[in-house]
Amino acid sequence: DAGVIQSPRHEVTEMGQEVTLRCKPISGHDYLFWYRQTMMRGLELLIYFNNNVPIDDSGMPEDRFSAKMPNASFSTLKIQPSEPRDSAVYFCASNRGSSYNEQFFGPGTRLTVL
Amino acid sequence: AQSVTQLDSHVSVSEGTPVLLRCNYSSSYSPSLFWYVQHPNKGLQLLLKYTSAATLVKGINGFEAEFKKSETSFHLTKPSAHMSDAAEYFCVVSPQGGGYNKLIFGAGTRLAVHP
Repeated sequence: DAGVIQSPRHEVTEMGQEVTLRCKPISGHDYLFWYRQTMMRGLELLIYFNNNVPIDDSGMPEDRFSAKMPNASFSTLKIQPSEPRDSAVYFCASNRGSSYNEQFFGPGTRLTVL
Repeated sequence: AQSVTQLDSHVSVSEGTPVLLRCNYSSSYSPSLFWYVQHPNKGLQLLLKYTSAATLVKGINGFEAEFKKSETSFHLTKPSAHMSDAAEYFCVVSPQGGGYNKLIFGAGTRLAVHP
């Protein structure tokens, strides 16, 4: 099993540009989570999906952020336009059967917005 | 309201000595509790979890944690630290019931292990 796959691993962009982060969950997992990690705020849940449907997006900071899951094996998190305060490490995680169960995390995408 | 408090932001131990990382939780429902570890520039890896079975939970790499409901604690311990244990550790609560489906992460404890 390859685990949760995220791309790119590092992204450097300029303020105002669109950024798209990608995630492939573990095969057979029906829950997918997007998190953001910063020094100031720690780990924050942004949004999670169940069977490709967004269940709770209350953690999405503002309208500049959007997430989609077009199928069971792919999800994107988009920031448009990006701002320097969006600089963080973004993690994708997945699990099976229940959001209470262990979540398997990807290696993260380190985003730097200049 | 559900919350997790990790009582130490940094812990430093010598190799071969015991490790204690402290965690207190607050939950309106019977919780599931987890400890995750994050090595530098890596994702989070599950160390162990408590889900209302045995109160003493054994995890990977020699770590264990004890669920104490009366103290609302879930401290992580290891008898003998290894250099490879240096990492950041997160205590996590998942309140069961009430339709609340989020994991709540503590602020993290950075463990340093000295030779």
